[in-house]
Amino acid sequence: QKEVEQNSGPLSVPEGAIASLNCTYSDRGSQSFFWYRQYSGKSPELIMFIYSNGDKEDGRFTAQLNKASQYVSLLIRDSQPSDSATYLCAARVPRDYKLSFGAGTTVTVRA
Amino acid sequence: EAQVTQNPRYLITVTGKKLTVTCSQNMNHEYMSWYRQDPGLGLRQIYYSMNVEVTDKGDVPEGYKVSRKEKRNFPLILESPSPNQTSLYFCASSFSSNYGYTFGSGTRLTVV
Repeated sequence: QKEVEQNSGPLSVPEGAIASLNCTYSDRGSQSFFWYRQYSGKSPELIMFIYSNGDKEDGRFTAQLNKASQYVSLLIRDSQPSDSATYLCAARVPRDYKLSFGAGTTVTVRA
Repeated sequence: EAQVTQNPRYLITVTGKKLTVTCSQNMNHEYMSWYRQDPGLGLRQIYYSMNVEVTDKGDVPEGYKVSRKEKRNFPLILESPSPNQTSLYFCASSFSSNYGYTFGSGTRLTVV
């Protein structure tokens, strides 16, 4: 079982809609969770991090964490064509100092 | 500008010819790491370092070496590259274990 799993997509949404991305993790010791955005041919860029159960909002992005269900999600509101990218979920286990990534979900926002 | 700098950006080499990919960060970060990214497999950690002279294996360390003699530098060494090491490599650094990584621009390596 992979440590971090994501729906591979692709996910296609119309401009202005909400894109919903899901991620599950297997290690209950994971304490820090991150969402990265990666444009084609570019390096991953950190867009959100969350440590506590519940929601965390930053502009058009909302991260949600449910540790009991080992589930992390990212909502992108008012999706724009510039949001078209691959989104990577990552989980960190402090005792291992390791950041494990999911395979990514590709999002396409249709104008 | 705060950044992680990798060199070279592109490299084509032949099987068995030793190579080094350099990585340097100017943010005084404790943690540094190397990842490889392959289609369908995502980012996989090769090695990571918690501080100078402290390194540990990630998920796919075979065929790679690293060193951390200075806080800012974390080179990746392929002693005898093979075609299955053809990949996109990223160096990354982080302030602490609770922070996300900042990634370099990547090195696309082709081993023929």
